[in-house]
Amino acid sequence: DVKVTQSSRYLVKRTGEKVFLECVQDMDHENMFWYRQDPGLGLRLIYFSYDVKMKEKGDIPEGYSVSREKKERFSLILESASTNQTSMYLCASSPSEIAGRTGELFFGEGSRLTVL
Amino acid sequence: AQSVTQLGSHVSVSEGALVLLRCNYSSSVPPYLFWYVQYPNQGLQLLLKYTTGATLVKGINGFEAEFKKSETSFHLTKPSAHMSDAAEYFCAVSGINDYKLSFGAGTTVTVRA
Repeated sequence: DVKVTQSSRYLVKRTGEKVFLECVQDMDHENMFWYRQDPGLGLRLIYFSYDVKMKEKGDIPEGYSVSREKKERFSLILESASTNQTSMYLCASSPSEIAGRTGELFFGEGSRLTVL
Repeated sequence: AQSVTQLGSHVSVSEGALVLLRCNYSSSVPPYLFWYVQYPNQGLQLLLKYTTGATLVKGINGFEAEFKKSETSFHLTKPSAHMSDAAEYFCAVSGINDYKLSFGAGTTVTVRA
């Protein structure tokens, strides 16, 4: 069974802390994505990666960075967490066909981050 | 750039009634269109997709959607709602040669017994 695993389902952090959100996929997918989900706003793309060590900014990259040192792992980093980064974060992966061709994004269960 | 608008953030239907979720898209190129479903405390999963070919697309769990280019719409329907259909539904669009999907704001469906 295909799987995208996000390491933490729930996190509570303080303003200014550095936060790491980890995502691992076991499907040998080339493409990986980080989305942020907020009520009434749907999913917004933060960053994506189409290959190891490659990354591209999505629609809302400010305040975030990413790391992809291995094909199966894609990390989202909040260098200095702020309260407006309280949200649900969703990781996804897709196979080597360009996502638009297959549409088959496989999602993790999400990481709900609260910044106090 | 591509974008989608989902009309109605909440839809309430009776069990056995028609489910209709509306999605309109904006795209400068022929779009690829998708519907995803998110059950409580879970990630999203693909319901169905339109890329090319037949404009009526059938998906999982009895859902289907019709691509209407003249109306720039991709509405999702299910003839008879079941309690298990209670979830949040997202419409998404991408262009050709586009890595990413752009999602709508989502529509939450509640099903009344």
